[in-house]
Amino acid sequence: DQQVKQNSPSLSVQEGRISILNCDYTNSMFDYFLWYKKYPAEGPTFLISISSIKDKNEDGRFTVFLNKSAKHLSLHIVPSQPGDSAVYFCAASERYGNKLVFGAGTILRVKS
Amino acid sequence: DTEVTQTPKHLVMGMTNKKSLKCEQHMGHRAMYWYKQKAKKPPELMFVYSYEKLSINESVPSRFSPECPNSSLLNLHLHALQPEDSALYLCASSQGGGGYTEAFFGQGTRLTVV
Repeated sequence: DQQVKQNSPSLSVQEGRISILNCDYTNSMFDYFLWYKKYPAEGPTFLISISSIKDKNEDGRFTVFLNKSAKHLSLHIVPSQPGDSAVYFCAASERYGNKLVFGAGTILRVKS
Repeated sequence: DTEVTQTPKHLVMGMTNKKSLKCEQHMGHRAMYWYKQKAKKPPELMFVYSYEKLSINESVPSRFSPECPNSSLLNLHLHALQPEDSALYLCASSQGGGGYTEAFFGQGTRLTVV
């Protein structure tokens, strides 16, 4: 049972445009959500997070939006750069849990 | 310093070998994790240590044996592995103690079982 779903295996975007990566979750106990970026043969790198008390969190070019009623979150990258090309994982945890549940990942390719 | 260091980076071992993976962090984090990642799949949780005690074991086979000697170190002892255990093994740490679990990952150990 996949509790965190990233339904788009890949996304291709032109440099300078917006990249939007989507994530859905089913567990209503999740209340903290994170995005990680991963290059091949490396560990995931933390990008940005959001708690369930917010609906938006922004850090530079990265903005995460949370729609609790729809159990949906998205990561916006503006403007997209070729160096953003990587696999992006959505992850979620319960407030007092020490367990991150990851989605399957979305491969982002930014074309120059 | 937000670094989690894993050694070795690459490991090839036979099915009868015993080897260990090592992980170290100096961020004062009290939760440490082992994840396994197969190609084109998300990281899968194996073990969680909280305040140096094993708090989660995700039904991992006994040929994988975790150890937390102190709050900065985490080991994964490997014995009698199978070729299907070949994967990227990731260590992570977070502040722990409840609350939010923003985990920082190491670079991983690429394990090949022959």
